[in-house]
Amino acid sequence: DSGVTQTPKHLITATGQRVTLRCSPRSGDLSVYWYQQSLDQGLQFLIQYYNGEERAKGNILERFSAQQFPDLHSELNLSSLELGDSALYFCASSVLPGQGLHEQYFGPGTRLTVT
Amino acid sequence: EDKVVQSPLSLVVHEGDTVTLNCSYEVTNFRSLLWYKQEKKAPTFLFMLTSSGIEKKSGRLSSILDKKELFSILNITATQTGDSAIYLCAVEALRTGNQFYFGTGTSLTVIP
Repeated sequence: DSGVTQTPKHLITATGQRVTLRCSPRSGDLSVYWYQQSLDQGLQFLIQYYNGEERAKGNILERFSAQQFPDLHSELNLSSLELGDSALYFCASSVLPGQGLHEQYFGPGTRLTVT
Repeated sequence: EDKVVQSPLSLVVHEGDTVTLNCSYEVTNFRSLLWYKQEKKAPTFLFMLTSSGIEKKSGRLSSILDKKELFSILNITATQTGDSAIYLCAVEALRTGNQFYFGTGTSLTVIP
């Protein structure tokens, strides 16, 4: 158990809908990262937040947005969902923003299925 | 375009066999290359490599990086059924913030 929690565990929704995925980082970690893992594209870095501010952006679609709240939990919002958005979404956290990938602690993931 | 390519895509071996997994990359501002093991849940960190030619070893697993040829290999000797998993290779780049690029993984199945 990494100490990073994600809810919900599974989510099934229809195309065109909007969902919110939630992540609580490890206690003391200020930085949160979001990743998407699909069968055809592997694991992809989406976005990073540090202490409430966006720090780095990866391959995040415009239909997706994220934020980090004062209590440091983060939410990933996915809108106008398409079938291709079906994937496993991971959150990871680290203490500081510049720490390497090996110092990120991954949550268990949220499996999103768009039908 | 930055990319990380892993091969083979899938591998099935018998217990006791030795396997070699490959990862090649084209990423600017390279910082490190990492190997992860993923068994139906979150990836588990295995190795981080930053310097060429220095082998990292942990039990039956070992890895080495060639920064000139832009590839890394992960070796697993005397494989066991518990080694069955997807092995992910990731490259970290230093840009405006850190960027992370993952390969699609190699699926390893070890049969008794």
